[in-house]
Amino acid sequence: DTGVSQNPRHKITKRGQNVTFRCDPISEHNRLYWYRQTLGQGPEFLTYFQNEAQLEKSRLLSDRFSAERPKGSFSTLEIQRTEQGDSAMYLCASSSRTGDYEQYFGPGTRLTVT
Amino acid sequence: AQSVSQHNHHVILSEAASLELGCNYSYGGTVNLFWYVQYPGQHLQLLLKYFSGDPLVKGIKGFEAEFIKSKFSFNLRKPSVQWSDTAEYFCAVSPNTGGFKTIFGAGTRLFVKA
Repeated sequence: DTGVSQNPRHKITKRGQNVTFRCDPISEHNRLYWYRQTLGQGPEFLTYFQNEAQLEKSRLLSDRFSAERPKGSFSTLEIQRTEQGDSAMYLCASSSRTGDYEQYFGPGTRLTVT
Repeated sequence: AQSVSQHNHHVILSEAASLELGCNYSYGGTVNLFWYVQYPGQHLQLLLKYFSGDPLVKGIKGFEAEFIKSKFSFNLRKPSVQWSDTAEYFCAVSPNTGGFKTIFGAGTRLFVKA
């Protein structure tokens, strides 16, 4: 399967701990997106990369959140000093360089902060 | 602020009934419009998209959507639903400003009774 993959699929952590999630996009896709989804809501945009450059960042992304895409391939999303309100599904998506805006989504990482 | 409103959170239909899911957005400029679907246990996937041209767009599995610019609407339709259409449907908008931020609605859960 050459779709978008995310690891881990589930993460349970205690409040105050740091967590890091990884996203591997479809190999030829240069655009990568992170979203957060809570129960009963649609995905909320967090940030967007074109190659290794982080071009947009939501105001939702507090200073505790940071994302990287160091070589323009996989990306990581780190949350420092987690809070219970960070519990959500974190989705990654990628899209191609051809101008087609279709985003291909991964299965998500479900974070539970206790 | 840009937003997307989906009119119904839950819809229950019998097989062969017609479907129309409402979607309105708030943004004054040019937009790209999408409907994504999430079947139980699966990733979000694109159902159809509108960038320009004919405001009536056709997607996969017999779905279509009509863009009415004057009403800021992009409603999804299907003349005859099947049990396999049971899923959650998300309307999404991407302002055509050169960036790729996508704003999703809260979703509509459709349950089709066999």
